[in-house]
Amino acid sequence: AAGVIQSPRHLIKEKRETATLKCYPIPRHDTVYWYQQGPGQDPQFLISFYEKMQSDKGSIPDRFSAQQFSDYHSELNMSSLELGDSALYFCASSLTWTSGYEQYFGPGTRLTVT
Amino acid sequence: AQKVTQAQTEISVVEKEDVTLDCVYETRDTTYYLFWYKQPPSGELVFLIRRNSFDEQNEISGRYSWNFQKSTSSFNFTITASQVVDSAVYFCALSVREDGANNLFFGTGTRLTVIP
Repeated sequence: AAGVIQSPRHLIKEKRETATLKCYPIPRHDTVYWYQQGPGQDPQFLISFYEKMQSDKGSIPDRFSAQQFSDYHSELNMSSLELGDSALYFCASSLTWTSGYEQYFGPGTRLTVT
Repeated sequence: AQKVTQAQTEISVVEKEDVTLDCVYETRDTTYYLFWYKQPPSGELVFLIRRNSFDEQNEISGRYSWNFQKSTSSFNFTITASQVVDSAVYFCALSVREDGANNLFFGTGTRLTVIP
């Protein structure tokens, strides 16, 4: 069965640079979520999209932005990177935002800021 | 506000022992969903189970079982006859309808180490 695809899997950037993470949800899933997991921490919700519209925002810094495109893939753009942005970034997708259907997580993108 | 508490930060057991991971949640919503995810050393988040607030039936899947008790707001996870491959961080999570969104609120995780 198709799973959530994230690219790249690993990314190394320097401070003040920009990074773009991509997420390709499971086909026919209409909701995408982004989570950030710092070292030794639990995943923290950043932002979600339902049918290409932003549906909710969590603890996402103003330096970050995201969007969902017509083909349902999503991108998380991160500017002016800081050392504290080093984390594992997960994308998850689900079938609908109106129920508690399980979110299927991608393998994550490990971002290292040096 | 939603909150998930996993009081056990780390647990070590010897292979073949049974182990229970505790999860206590807080929410004012009457409709909510509870989840368990496994995060092995490779880092991915593996979905294990979902329970809705109206279904208190316990569930067993192989060596895994879950005990959902609304009276104590707990959703505990038991691994029977643990194996080395069970070593991972386990997260309990809660999802509610907040203005239409149903993002997950995670507990801080329990790191399980199974010693051969």
